[in-house]
Amino acid sequence: EPEVTQTPSHQVTQMGQEVILRCVPISNHLYFYWYRQILGQKVEFLVSFYNNEISEKSEIFDDQFSVERPDGSNFTLKIRSTKLEDSAMYFCASSEARGGSGNTIYFGEGSWLTVV
Amino acid sequence: GEDVEQSLFLSVREGDSSVINCTYTDSSSTYLYWYKQEPGAGLQLLTYIFSNMDMKQDQRLTVLLNKKDKHLSLRIADTQTGDSAIYFCAEMNSGGYQKVTFGTGTKLQVIP
Repeated sequence: EPEVTQTPSHQVTQMGQEVILRCVPISNHLYFYWYRQILGQKVEFLVSFYNNEISEKSEIFDDQFSVERPDGSNFTLKIRSTKLEDSAMYFCASSEARGGSGNTIYFGEGSWLTVV
Repeated sequence: GEDVEQSLFLSVREGDSSVINCTYTDSSSTYLYWYKQEPGAGLQLLTYIFSNMDMKQDQRLTVLLNKKDKHLSLRIADTQTGDSAIYFCAEMNSGGYQKVTFGTGTKLQVIP
């Protein structure tokens, strides 16, 4: 079964450093997302991406965050200058289309980011 | 904004049925999902239901939707120890760009 893959599975970084989390969405999917889950808390929406641009973002997704689809397969989340409170599990997700069963959103295994 | 609430913890004996409940506030919710998260793992989509349905069955899983009360439940028949995990209820309003709002998650503990 096709799946969303993410790398790295775990990254430790120093506060203030830049981090790039990578994702390969399911190949025929058109919508891409990043979510995060701080330990013990809810899964929170960060951003959605369609047609090579951000379609919606939450208040969490400030100027320190950016997303990019540099080629036909990868979808990346960059955090420019990490803070301690950015420590979380970051989930990439994708869906085929809007409407009908295309709204089913598939998540990756997550990238656990620890900022020290 | 949208809000999704779940009880935090449920403990059942192996072989019994588990019922995990969820309430949501967005009356425009179009799609409702159940995801399973095992320790240290990602979010596995278990099942989903469209808001124009009131029940969906998939093997051991039964989803019931009461749209009037904005209540969703997941029933797991013959619960096994491998079902121990956190179960997240989630909703999406198709009017937006497919942003999914998650509940707090219910930790299911299955006692052998």
